[in-house]
Formats: sequence, structure tokens, C-alpha cells
Amino acid sequence: GENVEQHPSTLSVQEGDSAVIKCTYSDSASNYFPWYKQELGKRPQLIIDIRSNVGEKKDQRIAVTLNKTAKHFSLHITETQPEDSAVYFCAASPGGGADGLTFGKGTHLIIQP
Amino acid sequence: NAGVTQTPKFRILKIGQSMTLQCTQDMNHNYMYWYRQDPGMGLKLIYYSVGAGITDKGEVPNGYNVSRSTTEDFPLRLELAAPSQTSVYFCASNIGTGNQPQHFGDGTRLSIL
Repeated sequence: GENVEQHPSTLSVQEGDSAVIKCTYSDSASNYFPWYKQELGKRPQLIIDIRSNVGEKKDQRIAVTLNKTAKHFSLHITETQPEDSAVYFCAASPGGGADGLTFGKGTHLIIQP
Repeated sequence: NAGVTQTPKFRILKIGQSMTLQCTQDMNHNYMYWYRQDPGMGLKLIYYSVGAGITDKGEVPNGYNVSRSTTEDFPLRLELAAPSQTSVYFCASNIGTGNQPQHFGDGTRLSIL
């Protein structure tokens, strides 16, 4: 089955700086890669996703890049703000998300004022 | 639309007891999922369903059962609760066509003592 590794487990950045979270996956058939943000005690919320036919996608301060050859994808957050503090999860699915997602273990992003 | 609704929000069980976690969605989604999230970890897929009457095992199905008699409902049953099943349980759904995002419920926090 699919295996997703996520790094780092904790990331502390100064407010206004950029944050980068990296994930690798094992199943070359995976074709859907979402990123979720989870605040303490809350549900995971989708912040951005990318399909395998796209190399990069942006949404305001958030961007995701995908390298299918190397089987890794990354989340980039620019101009970080205090409300960006949360746990971020990457995930992958060989079925386009239809048969379930395999999640990484999460990155605790801390924005220092 | 209420989205994905899970009940109860919290529950404490004794070892060996049984219970059903309820999940319902009002978005007419075909696909539904159950995940568990242990402290400090990512989500792991327990079971999923691609439509009424069809269910499949995920990564960690042991100790659980599911049924899907309607499009809207996807209950998860614990028959003989064990301490290892202490976790937060999330139900999710998606429309089931193409690479579409999963929508999560608020979760059920279950403790087994």
C-alpha cells in the first residue's frame, strides 16, 4: 500500500517569513495530493490540493508543488501570519481520493510573533 | 447544507462494551469514509464505501464493522471495545467522481477505560 512520509514534524518560523513542508510518497500510481490544516480539537480542513497532471498550484499565500519523478510534493506558505499556526497534513491517493487517503504524520507549524 | 454530521461528539466506554458511531451527510455524496486519529498522528483509514450496500476495508479495519444501507448514512460499530481503540474518529465524504476533496465531520472523541 501507499506510504507517506512528512517532514519536519515541527516547524517554527517568524511571522512574515515563509514555511515549507515536504512529503514523499511510495506508490507511483498515486495521482491526488491534498493538504489539510487542523487546529486543536477541530476537523481537518482542506487548504489546497494538486492532481498528478499539474506541477504547481497557487492560492493566494499558499502553493503546492509536485515532482512525480521523485515522488515528492511540498507545501509553501508565504508571509506567514499568527492564524497559520496549526498542524498540517499531507495525503496521497492512488484512486484520486475515491478509495481513501493515506496521510503523513503531520507538521506542527508555529508562527513566532 | 449541514455537510457531514457525526454523533456523539464525546463518549467514554468500558472495555468490552459496544457502541455505534453515527455519520450522516446531506450532500448526496456517493463515497464515505471512516478514519481514526491517534494523538500526534495522521489519520488512518478504517473502512470506506462507494455507495449503498458496498463497503471495503481500509488500513486498520480490525475491531470495527460498517454498513451502508442508504446514501446518507455510514455508521461505524465497535463490538468489543478495547483500550487500543481510544482515538478520535472522523467521518468524511466526497462526491466520488474524479479527484475531488473529502469533506470531514467534526469527529467523535472516544475513550475506552
